Amino acid sequence: GENVEQHPSTLSVQEGDSAVIKCTYSDSASNYFPWYKQELGKRPQLIIDIRSNVGEKKDQRIAVTLNKTAKHFSLHITETQPEDSAVYFCAASPRAYGQNFVFGPGTRLSVLP
Amino acid sequence: EAGVTQSPTHLIKTRGQQATLRCSPISGHTSVYWYQQALGLGLQFLLWYDEGEERNRGNFPPRFSGRQFPNYSSELNVNALELEDSALYLCASSRGGNTEAFFGQGTRLTVV
Repeated sequence: GENVEQHPSTLSVQEGDSAVIKCTYSDSASNYFPWYKQELGKRPQLIIDIRSNVGEKKDQRIAVTLNKTAKHFSLHITETQPEDSAVYFCAASPRAYGQNFVFGPGTRLSVLP
Repeated sequence: EAGVTQSPTHLIKTRGQQATLRCSPISGHTSVYWYQQALGLGLQFLLWYDEGEERNRGNFPPRFSGRQFPNYSSELNVNALELEDSALYLCASSRGGNTEAFFGQGTRLTVV
């Protein structure tokens, strides 16, 4: 089955700097990769996603890149702000029916003022 | 359009009792996923229902069970509660297949 690894587990950056979180997946059949942001005490919120037919997707200050050959994808946050502080989860969704979302263990991002 | 709703928000039970958690998906969504999130930890997959059937199950004991109703709402039942079952239980819904999934606010289950 699919296995998703995520690094780093914790990340501290200065406000205004960039943050990068990387995930690797094991199942080459996975074709959908969402990213979720979970603020303290709140539900995970979908912030961006990418499908395997696209190499990069951007939405304002956040972007996701996908390398199918190496089976890894990354979240990039530019010009970080204190409100970006949260736990970020990556996920992979295998194409085969009967497979559900497989989440990475999460990255706790702290943006320091 | 209403998002995914879960009830109750908080639930306190005694060890050995049974807990029932409910989830109403976004209108038009046929898939419901259940996850357990222990304090400060990741999302552990419990169950996936689609079109009324259980499609997949995570590595949890049989006392964790559930069902999906004809209106696509879902119920998670936890029997013989143990202290370590204390966690936030999150439900998510999607249109099925590899499409966007949206989470409910969760049910905080505390077993004492």
